[in-house]
Amino acid sequence: GDSVTQMEGPVTLSEEAFLTINCTYTATGYPSLFWYVQYPGEGLQLLLKATKADDKGSNKGFEATYRKETTSFHLEKGSVQVSDSAVYFCALSPFGGSEKLVFGKGTKLTVNP
Amino acid sequence: NAGVTQTPKFQVLKTGQSMTLQCAQDMNHNSMYWYRQDPGMGLRLIYYSASEGTTDKGEVPNGYNVSRLNKREFSLRLESAAPSQTSVYFCASRNAGGHSYNEQFFGPGTRLTVL
Repeated sequence: GDSVTQMEGPVTLSEEAFLTINCTYTATGYPSLFWYVQYPGEGLQLLLKATKADDKGSNKGFEATYRKETTSFHLEKGSVQVSDSAVYFCALSPFGGSEKLVFGKGTKLTVNP
Repeated sequence: NAGVTQTPKFQVLKTGQSMTLQCAQDMNHNSMYWYRQDPGMGLRLIYYSASEGTTDKGEVPNGYNVSRLNKREFSLRLESAAPSQTSVYFCASRNAGGHSYNEQFFGPGTRLTVL
């Protein structure tokens, strides 16, 4: 079945460091791919998405590119801030209009000043 | 718009007690979902409803029941709570319309402890 694997955390960085959180997926066809962020004590909110191969999703300085050849959707940010401290979830929506999202287990990021 | 709202925010139950978690959305979305979040497990789908009047099991439905009361509201009921149901519960909604790329919108969560 469809699945998402993302790097295990926690990840601890200093402010202004470069961030990469790896995400790979297994799915048939062309799923849609998402990154969600969960700030402490809150629900998940969509950070960015990509719906077809080679699409780049971007928001708030974060980027991720849909790589069909490597089945990956890695999250990157060039310079993290303390306010980026959160849990990040990679997710896919199976091709064909499925109702369900398949989530990775989440990666906790802590950014220190 | 309030988006997705959930009540209560916190709840402590004793083993065997029952309770209903409430969820409502004001975005006129067709689909609604209940997830649980446990440390190291990510989010797991309990039940979902693709439209008013329909519900389907997700990955971990045992011990739960749901009701899609109308298009806005989707409740989750624990008939006889167990310590294994201690978790954070999230409700979500989505304007499906046949597009898999439509995002899900999440509520703030209910933190449930079963003693």
